[in-house]
Amino acid sequence: QSALTQPASVSGSPGQSITISCTGTSSDIGLYNYVSWYQQQPGKAPKLMIYDVNNRPSGVSNRFSGSKSGNTASLTISGLQAEDEADYYCNSYTSSGTWVFGGGTKLTVL
Amino acid sequence: QLQLRESGPGLVKPSETLSLTCTVSGGSITSGYYWGWIRQPPGKGLEWIGEIYYDGNSYYSPSLKRRASISVDTSKNQFSLNLHFVTAADTAVFYCARRTQSSSWMGYWGQGTQVTVSS
Repeated sequence: QSALTQPASVSGSPGQSITISCTGTSSDIGLYNYVSWYQQQPGKAPKLMIYDVNNRPSGVSNRFSGSKSGNTASLTISGLQAEDEADYYCNSYTSSGTWVFGGGTKLTVL
Repeated sequence: QLQLRESGPGLVKPSETLSLTCTVSGGSITSGYYWGWIRQPPGKGLEWIGEIYYDGNSYYSPSLKRRASISVDTSKNQFSLNLHFVTAADTAVFYCARRTQSSSWMGYWGQGTQVTVSS
């Protein structure tokens, strides 16, 4: 199985909205609503931001939202803040009964 | 509050077996969740290794299936990873995590442990 495809980097100014895409196949993202997104700060463990495509865990800001269309999932961050600067990873269940991560996207807040 | 903590040698020789343990506290390992391992090579992205249910059912990444094995010790509230025949390419930070059944919710992670493969 190949890693899900994410842009290597995205950037935005404080207050703006950005979207990170995550492209898979009809055997993973396109087949299941088991897509999650993780934020990772340098030297820290990943933190769950979105699960099951568009659900936010308790304590995660409502500025974070998720969606899916076909084989592509997306993470949108609205009202960008300096603290959002981090690496973001998507993750999906696959038809093989396994899980696969995206390659990661570095978000820079200008 | 549930906590996971990885432990094991920080240095492993090439061709040997990397063995890590994740100790679960604040909750039971038999409480109906999947327990998994994820790694991150230096400067690279996350890679899912595999996961196990408390009854022993396990699943592995196709790329690591031949070398990885995950086991659970319910008496110690721990689960473990063995990765055989390691090379320098296996050098990474290894994380353990808990996933909710029938969901992609993987909300609890350990802090991670660095393992270097070198002679």
